[in-house]
Amino acid sequence: DAGITQSPRHKVTETGTPVTLRCHQTENHRYMYWYRQDPGHGLRLIHYSYGVKDTDKGEVSDGYSVSRSKTEDFLLTLESATSSQTSVYFCATQDVIGEASPLHFGNGTRLTVT
Amino acid sequence: QKEVEQNSGPLSVPEGAIASLNCTYSDRGSQSFFWYRQYSGKSPELIMSIYSNGDKEDGRFTAQLNKASQYVSLLIRDSQPSDSATYLCAVNRANAGNMLTFGGGTRLMVKP
Repeated sequence: DAGITQSPRHKVTETGTPVTLRCHQTENHRYMYWYRQDPGHGLRLIHYSYGVKDTDKGEVSDGYSVSRSKTEDFLLTLESATSSQTSVYFCATQDVIGEASPLHFGNGTRLTVT
Repeated sequence: QKEVEQNSGPLSVPEGAIASLNCTYSDRGSQSFFWYRQYSGKSPELIMSIYSNGDKEDGRFTAQLNKASQYVSLLIRDSQPSDSATYLCAVNRANAGNMLTFGGGTRLMVKP
């Protein structure tokens, strides 16, 4: 979606270094999500946010933290990167009106931890 | 049992045929169902949503929902090579507000 921008698009980093991925939206959607996608595992939820400074853990949150200081920005930090965190990371947003709304995805960040 | 299950495929169909993709889910309280298409190396894009039992048609795509049997399917008529992609089923969690759970996806290959 044109309104969701992830940066960087690609990153190679070394084991043990901190890494921050950024998601920026112009849709003014309340909910934001971070997923990782790996072969054989599909999309797995890392963390999500339901408003500014309101975040919660997903199913694979160990080793990750998030922050949301503004509606439009949702940051994912790998505190000390490990090779198991090599993955493709997707940010998604959701605008809730009545029934559960679909997610809209950013273009993804391919992270390699060496 | 996984919350949302899909056959990983690949499902191979000839060009012009109907492709049928299936998804089963475990949460009887789920009310919202989505189909996403994901091309290799790209992000998932929404192609269909369905909320009520029955069929919903959009162009060559038809989503079918049967809540009693807990399955949702996607039919693609007149399949084209450009439809070759992985199709992800997503279902909302009844007791988790707006959270969606994704299936592992079915890889579709349409052969010319």
